[in-house]
Amino acid sequence: DSGVTQTPKHLITATGQRVTLRCSPRSGDLSVYWYQQSLDQGLQFLIQYYNGEERAKGNILERFSAQQFPDLHSELNLSSLELGDSALYFCASSVGGSSTYEQYFGPGTRLTVT
Amino acid sequence: GQQLNQSPQSMFIQEGEDVSMNCTSSSIFNTWLWYKQDPGEGPVLLIALYKAGELTSNGRLTAQFGITRKDSFLNISASIPSDVGIYFCAGKETSGSRLTFGEGTQLTVNP
Repeated sequence: DSGVTQTPKHLITATGQRVTLRCSPRSGDLSVYWYQQSLDQGLQFLIQYYNGEERAKGNILERFSAQQFPDLHSELNLSSLELGDSALYFCASSVGGSSTYEQYFGPGTRLTVT
Repeated sequence: GQQLNQSPQSMFIQEGEDVSMNCTSSSIFNTWLWYKQDPGEGPVLLIALYKAGELTSNGRLTAQFGITRKDSFLNISASIPSDVGIYFCAGKETSGSRLTFGEGTQLTVNP
């Protein structure tokens, strides 16, 4: 158990809908990262937050957005969903700062868009 | 953007054999991490490397931070069936905190 929690575990929704994925980082971690992993693909970095502020952006679509709240949990919002958005979405957390970059992953949310 | 080349893409070995895989980057990294992912699960951190030339072990796993700072290697000795999974390398450039991941090595161990 990495200490990172994600909900829900599975999500099935229709095209055009909007969903919210939730992540709670490990205790003490300030950074949260979101990744997308499509079938048999690698991990695509979407976005990073550090202590409530956006720190880095990857290949995140304009239909997707994220935020990190004062209690450090994070939410990834996916809107106008398309079939191609079906994937595993992972959240990872790290201490933050410049001393260590080890990221610890949650169990993921499997999104199926029908 | 930054690219990591991870090889091989897949490996089929017999139980008890040793395994080697590697990652190379087009630029210098100051951090290399190795993860293992089981199907439908999140990646699990195996080994973290922070210095060029560093050699670190975790049980039967040994990883090295290449001296050029553009590559890293992971070795698994005396493989067992539970070693099956996808192994990812990840690296971080000298600035920022974002990791770049390799495409993964799918390992199959035949009993």
